[in-house]
Amino acid sequence: GENVEQHPSTLSVQEGDSAVIKCTYSDSASNYFPWYKQELGKGPQLIIDIRSNVGEKKDQRIAVTLNKTAKHFSLHITETQPEDSAVYFCAAGNQAGTALIFGKGTTLSVSS
Amino acid sequence: DTEVTQTPKHLVMGMTNKKSLKCEQHMGHRAMYWYKQKAKKPPELMFVYSYEKLSINESVPSRFSPECPNSSLLNLHLHALQPEDSALYLCASSQQLAGGPYEQYFGPGTRLTVT
Repeated sequence: GENVEQHPSTLSVQEGDSAVIKCTYSDSASNYFPWYKQELGKGPQLIIDIRSNVGEKKDQRIAVTLNKTAKHFSLHITETQPEDSAVYFCAAGNQAGTALIFGKGTTLSVSS
Repeated sequence: DTEVTQTPKHLVMGMTNKKSLKCEQHMGHRAMYWYKQKAKKPPELMFVYSYEKLSINESVPSRFSPECPNSSLLNLHLHALQPEDSALYLCASSQQLAGGPYEQYFGPGTRLTVT
């Protein structure tokens, strides 16, 4: 079955710096890769996603890149702000299955 | 609007109690999900409903009983739980299952404590 590895598990940056979180997946059939942000005491919030027919997608300060050959995808956050502090989860899904397989999460801390 | 609502926000129950968690969405989504999330872990899928029919049961113990009374509502009935069942229970919904995968939107969760 699919396995998603996520690194790093914790990431501390200064406000204004960039943050990058990386995930690798094992199932070449996976074709959908969402990223979720989870703040303390809240449910995961979908912040951006990418499908396998696209190499990069941007939404203001966040971007996701996908390398299908290497089976890895990354979340990039530029000009980080303290409110970006949260746990970020990557996930992978495919047409055949219905379950998203989640990475173990990255705790991002942005200090001002 | 991508809002999924869940009630209650917090629930404390004894091991002999019966309680229910509720989830509601008004996005016209036809797939609804229950996840369990332990502290500092990713969500784990429990059940999936597609067009009000149970589609996936991830080998969840029978003390958890899901119900989908209509296309907007999803319940999780709890009975004879164990302390290790204490967790954040998340509901999610997506457009449908067939032709997917589609974006899944999560509710805020119910924080369950079993004493």
